Amino acid sequence: QKEVEQNSGPLSVPEGAIASLNCTYSDRGSQSFFWYRQYSGKSPELIMFIYSNGDKEDGRFTAQLNKASQYVSLLIRDSQPSDSATYLCAVSYGKLTFGQGTILTVHP
Amino acid sequence: DAGVIQSPRHEVTEMGQEVTLRCKPISGHDYLFWYRQTMMRGLELLIYFNNNVPIDDSGMPEDRFSAKMPNASFSNLKIQPSEPRDSAVYFCASTATGVGSPLHFGNGTRLTVT
Repeated sequence: QKEVEQNSGPLSVPEGAIASLNCTYSDRGSQSFFWYRQYSGKSPELIMFIYSNGDKEDGRFTAQLNKASQYVSLLIRDSQPSDSATYLCAVSYGKLTFGQGTILTVHP
Repeated sequence: DAGVIQSPRHEVTEMGQEVTLRCKPISGHDYLFWYRQTMMRGLELLIYFNNNVPIDDSGMPEDRFSAKMPNASFSNLKIQPSEPRDSAVYFCASTATGVGSPLHFGNGTRLTVT
């Protein structure tokens, strides 16, 4: 059983829409949660991290964490074509474990 | 800050050859991680070091893989002998604040074993 699960997509949204990316994890003891963005042929780069239940906002990005449901999500408001990438959810069990990633395509 | 530096960027080798991948972490970062990324398996942790000491190598696929960190500014990952199934992108990452912290990734080494 995978420890961190994401829908592989692709998720396609029109420019200006809200993109919603979801992630579930299996270990209730997880403490830290991260979203990375990876453009094709590039390395992952950190977008957001969240440690506590609730929402955390940074510009157009909002991370949401629900530890009871073992669920973390990333919302991207006013999506732009430049947001087209693979989004990796990562969860810390003491070491960082990544999901398979969700491919997001934002079309003009 | 130059970031995490990996070399080479691309490596093409024949099955059975030894491959060495290199990494220079960000200065002051005490934790160094080696990850492997493939389409099938995603991003997998191979091994990580803290203060140059290997802490968890449970992700190293088999004895053909070895990693060392002789000092705070250098680590290498060796595969001997290499096999076609080792073809992947290998990332090195570092952080100053522990295993549950945001990672800074290098640009990766794309390894192709023919």
